[in-house]
Order: sequence, then structure tokens, then C-alpha cells
Amino acid sequence: KAGVTQTPRYLIKTRGQQVTLSCSPISGHRSVSWYQQTPGQGLQFLFEYFSETQRNKGNFPGRFSGRQFSNSRSEMNVSTLELGDSALYLCASNWRDSLTDTQYFGPGTRLTVL
Amino acid sequence: GQQVMQIPQYQHVQEGEDFTTYCNSSTTLSNIQWYKQRPGGHPVFLIQLVKSGEVKKQKRLTFQFGEAKKNSSLHITATQTTDVGTYFCAGPGTGKLIFGQGTTLQVKP
Repeated sequence: KAGVTQTPRYLIKTRGQQVTLSCSPISGHRSVSWYQQTPGQGLQFLFEYFSETQRNKGNFPGRFSGRQFSNSRSEMNVSTLELGDSALYLCASNWRDSLTDTQYFGPGTRLTVL
Repeated sequence: GQQVMQIPQYQHVQEGEDFTTYCNSSTTLSNIQWYKQRPGGHPVFLIQLVKSGEVKKQKRLTFQFGEAKKNSSLHITATQTTDVGTYFCAGPGTGKLIFGQGTTLQVKP
């Protein structure tokens, strides 16, 4: 099976702009989670989508939003970018059953806000 | 809220030395997972432990889940330069996985 793909891999934006990141999960996986990774804060959970519905949300402001399509592909959007939004944004394709909840991460999108 | 803590934050070892990272949860966990992130890469799933006191091995890596299911450890025997990276533990929280801050391992050749 193909792995998790994320586009674009690198992005440079300026403060105040908005950005949309895309993630295609592993075929057959219906759940997608998004994380923000920064050197100081580690892996911070943004949200999870399952079957086009947001199932869980982390402690991020409303500028961070997401959605999932019927083919399980997911997008996340950040509006009114701030310098502190510079980070690696990771998408994880989730496999969950009664015994396990495993995250398969994509390569990430490196966002730089100038 | 639920927290997963890892120590140490950084570890520098000479190639051939052993390395251990420890993970502690504020609550009892149904399972614990370990991930490795190489420099410039993304986290990669290594293993999941489910049973109390469980020990699993992957070549030079030994993973252990505590009896109380609140702590875990990853031990690497005779480190190699290929072991360089950040090791994360993660435990299930309310509807999400909660990751520790990670232990970054540097190996001097």
C-alpha cells in the first residue's frame, strides 16, 4: 500500500495570509489526525477526522480548521497566519481497532511564516 | 489533564554505549506506543505494548511496559550511528494519542 502523502512539502507565507495543506491517508484508512510539531512544544494534536466528521479537537484557536472528504483525503486550513504558526504540520493516517490505535505519519509540510 | 512525560530530553552517547529513555503517564494506560523520528524526517511507528509487564525486543531495542501500566522504557544496546533521532512514547487519551516530549539521541562515532 502507498503511504501517507502530504502536499505541499514546503511552504513560505507571510503574516496575515492563509494556507491550506492536504493529506491523503493510506488506502482503507478512514481516520486522519493532524499535528503541529515545533522544537519547543513537541507534537501537538490539532484535530482528528473520521468519515468526514471532526471527531476530536486539540487546544488550538479557531484559525486552525480542517475537513475531510468522502475519499478520506483531508485538508487543514490556517487563516490569518502568525509568526508562531511556523512549524512542521504532520498528518497521520490512523488504524484503530479493539486492540490498537496506530498512527502512520506522512512526511509533513514545513510551513514558514515570515 | 492527562500527561505523558519522557526523560531525559537529550542524550549524547558514544557509539557502542547503551541508551535508555523513560516514559511516565499521569494515568493508567491501556497501551503504549513508541515512535522514532530521524532528523528531518517524520515519526515512524516502532511498537505497541499492551499487557502489564510486557517486554518486547526488536534486534538491539528492548521495550518494556510497567506492571502498573503507567510507565514504559526503551533500551538500546550497543548504540550505532543509525540509532540517531528522537524517540517518542505515546499513550491513548480521550479520543487522541498523547505524545511525550521525546528523547533526542545523539551518537558519537
